[in-house]
Amino acid sequence: DIQMTQSPSSLSASVGDRVTITCRTSQRINNYLNWYQQRPGKAPKLLIYSASSLQSGVPSRFSGSGSGTDFTLIISSLQPEDSATYYCQQSHSSPLTFGQGTKLEIK
Amino acid sequence: QVQLQESGPGLVKPSQTLSLTCSVSGASISSGDYYWSWFRQLPGKGLEWIGYIYNSGRPYYNPSLRSRVIISPDTSNVQVSLEVTSVTAADTAVYYCARGIPSARGPTNWFDPWGQGTLVTVSS
Repeated sequence: DIQMTQSPSSLSASVGDRVTITCRTSQRINNYLNWYQQRPGKAPKLLIYSASSLQSGVPSRFSGSGSGTDFTLIISSLQPEDSATYYCQQSHSSPLTFGQGTKLEIK
Repeated sequence: QVQLQESGPGLVKPSQTLSLTCSVSGASISSGDYYWSWFRQLPGKGLEWIGYIYNSGRPYYNPSLRSRVIISPDTSNVQVSLEVTSVTAADTAVYYCARGIPSARGPTNWFDPWGQGTLVTVSS
């Protein structure tokens, strides 16, 4: 199985801050990496697919980059509604796997 | 607009079979090249892929669950079922269904939308 390691596991930031979340995979996965946002008690929501493509309807302050084994999710200017847990997920090979999550808190 | 909704018993006894249904509106599961998928999230934990069916055809399962899981479409083509046999407390989780969208540029996919999820507790 492809192991996914996100960092940090949690972080606290202020409105307007630039936030970076990283995801490292145990094998090269091209750009087959997706990012999801999950608010408490809600279902995951797709933010970024194929490492850098912004899902329709997702604010442009979210962006993704990376290829191979190292990937990044950036929130350029943090908003209060961005308080959530963020997960990366690889679709390179079975079984599909997720990172352990990064819990983002707004100060 | 495609919407998914999970339904089924919220409480299942140990050793019994967990059965859930994902109702799809705004799409037919037999049309289009989508991966109709199930995931679960153990309490306070991360997400786990259970499996999916592709274009109402062959199912693909997580090897860790393959021996106990069946995912199947129903004949109405608007529902996808999940069965997990011989459940234990370790199967207590929120179960989600989601639509997998294949990439046009490579053998990969992503999942959108997701259902709201349904909590299943395994307890006697």
